[in-house]
Amino acid sequence: GDSVTQTEGQVTVSESKSLIINCTYSTTSIAYPNLFWYVRYPGEGLQLLLKVITAGQKGSSRGFEATYNKETTSFHLQKASVQESDSAVYYCALGDRGSNYQLIWGSGTKLIIKP
Amino acid sequence: AQTIHQWPVAEIKAVGSPLSLGCTIKGKSSPNLYWYWQATGGTLQQLFYSITVGQVESVVQLNLSASRPKDDQFILSTEKLLLSHSGFYLCAWSVGRGDTEVFFGKGTRLTVV
Repeated sequence: GDSVTQTEGQVTVSESKSLIINCTYSTTSIAYPNLFWYVRYPGEGLQLLLKVITAGQKGSSRGFEATYNKETTSFHLQKASVQESDSAVYYCALGDRGSNYQLIWGSGTKLIIKP
Repeated sequence: AQTIHQWPVAEIKAVGSPLSLGCTIKGKSSPNLYWYWQATGGTLQQLFYSITVGQVESVVQLNLSASRPKDDQFILSTEKLLLSHSGFYLCAWSVGRGDTEVFFGKGTRLTVV
């Protein structure tokens, strides 16, 4: 089957420090994986942070970056310097460019920023 | 601009009672619609999707059903709730398949007691 594994639970980072949230995927049915990071800020709905549909390419948004690595089947989320406003829950997701309407989700990582 | 409205915001229901959750999408014609469920501490799971009025596909069986009575409306229901139905339910829409952005409502928190 298809699955997404990301950094479990909660990550605490001091303000202005760097961040990495790991995401790896596994698929037996998706020929052309599309990879996404979604974010849920406190009090808000889940929203797209960034997406990459081509292996080897990098997506970026709001200072966050993620590179789609087909060799390691990874899509880690990174930021060089986090801010308090980045506190949120982050989800990695795997989609299919083909006829599939499904998204496969990681378990979510809660990011807490220490002032 | 497109908006998605989910109702109710939260529900506390008894085991064995019926349930109806709904969402309405405004500002977008013929969207693909989705229901997602997340148990407390669990992963988001896609339950149903619909690409047109009257047509709903099931992804995960949880003794729930979904209907799309209008182009802009998606309903999730069951006649008898189980304790395992507790969790967070999200309605969502997109214009494409697994390669496009999905837009989510704010969700309904369901507690079954």
